[in-house]
Amino acid sequence: EVQLLESGGGLVQPGGSLRLSCAASGFTFSSYAMSWVRQAPGKGLEWVSVINDRGGSIYYADSVKGRFTVSRDNSKNTLYLQMNSLRVEDTAVYYCARSFAAWGQGTLLTVSS
Amino acid sequence: EIVMTQSPATLSVSPGQRATLSCRASQSVSSDLAWYQQKPGQAPRLLIYDASTRATGIPARFGGSGSGTEFTLTISSLQSEDSAVYYCLQYNNWPWTFGQGTKVEIK
Repeated sequence: EVQLLESGGGLVQPGGSLRLSCAASGFTFSSYAMSWVRQAPGKGLEWVSVINDRGGSIYYADSVKGRFTVSRDNSKNTLYLQMNSLRVEDTAVYYCARSFAAWGQGTLLTVSS
Repeated sequence: EIVMTQSPATLSVSPGQRATLSCRASQSVSSDLAWYQQKPGQAPRLLIYDASTRATGIPARFGGSGSGTEFTLTISSLQSEDSAVYYCLQYNNWPWTFGQGTKVEIK
């Protein structure tokens, strides 16, 4: 069974940094592209970033480009999202997804002073 | 960026009736289109990918059709548990983009 478990969310002040992690199991992690998707409270879904299976091809939404960095450690079956210069509008539940198919349950990031 | 527009915003349907949801792309996305169901407090659940292929474990009452710029999700006989928000997603071009969602209510 595919399992994706996000962690690392919490309360951060504007301008701060945080790193999210996503631990994957139940499939060959190194064979799949992985994504981060977010959902602000009461709002729709926004694709944040995608990284291919080996980490050599990465895309970011314009809203996070230059502030967020996605990475993966295939030896640890783990996906990361380093978030810097956080803004109030980054407040959201952040989901990890295997490509666009299987999703984790999400971790909440709140950016507030 | 490809803009995905869903209609209607809200759909109220009686149990056992058909629900038809639409998704339009601002430019062709071929068949690179997925549909998701999201219930309150839950992660989105993949229903359909490649415009018309049901994901594993999805009931046969969910069907997808279309290609290019016009897509439809049909729930052939609505059940009470189908009350949710439904999103379409295009994955043809980066950035992948979602529609704004259609809320399906049970009458």
